[in-house]
Amino acid sequence: AQKITQTQPGMFVQEKEAVTLDCTYDTSDPSYGLFWYKQPSSGEMIFLIYQGSYDQQNATEGRYSLNFQKARKSANLVISASQLGDSAMYFCAMREDTQGGSEKLVFGKGTKLTVNP
Amino acid sequence: ETGVTQTPRHLVMGMTNKKSLKCEQHLGHNAMYWYKQSAKKPLELMFVYSLEERVENNSVPSRFSPECPNSSHLFLHLHTLQPEDSALYLCASSRRGGRETQYFGPGTRLLVL
Repeated sequence: AQKITQTQPGMFVQEKEAVTLDCTYDTSDPSYGLFWYKQPSSGEMIFLIYQGSYDQQNATEGRYSLNFQKARKSANLVISASQLGDSAMYFCAMREDTQGGSEKLVFGKGTKLTVNP
Repeated sequence: ETGVTQTPRHLVMGMTNKKSLKCEQHLGHNAMYWYKQSAKKPLELMFVYSLEERVENNSVPSRFSPECPNSSHLFLHLHTLQPEDSALYLCASSRRGGRETQYFGPGTRLLVL
C-alpha cells in the first residue's frame, strides 16, 4: 500500500494566484515527520517545509504553508502568490524508521506544477 | 560552498564499464544517503550511512557498491550496470538521530548503454 499519495499528476495555476497541492499519508506510528520538496528540471531536490506530527500549528515558510489535518492524514502544500519560478515537480515525503535503526524518507510520485503568465 | 555537491552531474557508461559517483556535504552532518529516481517511479532509498557505518541496504543489487570514507564523503561505485539502471542518483545528508531534514545534492544523471 502506498504510504504517500499525491493524487494530482499535474496542476496549472495563474501567476500571482494561490495553489494547493494535495498529499495524504498512511502510518501507524504516532511520531512522524512530513516534508515537501521542490524539484526543478535541473534535478536538485530543494527542501521547502516540514511538519512534525506533534506540532500544534501548521508550518509556514514564506509563501509556503502546510495545511496539516492529522485526523484526515493529509498534509497539503499551499503556495501563495505563485511565481513563474515555482514551475517544478513537488514531492511530499514522510520520514519513517527503518529496520536497520536509521531513518529514511518515503516519497510520493509527485505533482508537476506549471505556473502560467 | 554549497551544502551537498555531487560529481559528475551527467554520466554515460557502457555495461562493462566501472565508474564512481561522488557526493560531498559541507553541512556538518553525520548521516548520508543514496536515492535512485527512475522515470515514472517515486524516489527509492538505496543506502544509508550513519557515522560512516552502513546501516541500511535497501535490497540493492551488488553491482552498486557504496563507500563512506568519512562523514563528509560518500561514493557509489558502479560496475556491470544494466540499461534499467539509468536514472537520476541523488545523495542526501542529515544529522543522525535528531529527526532532522535531509538535504539533497543536485544529482547525477546516469545513462547506461
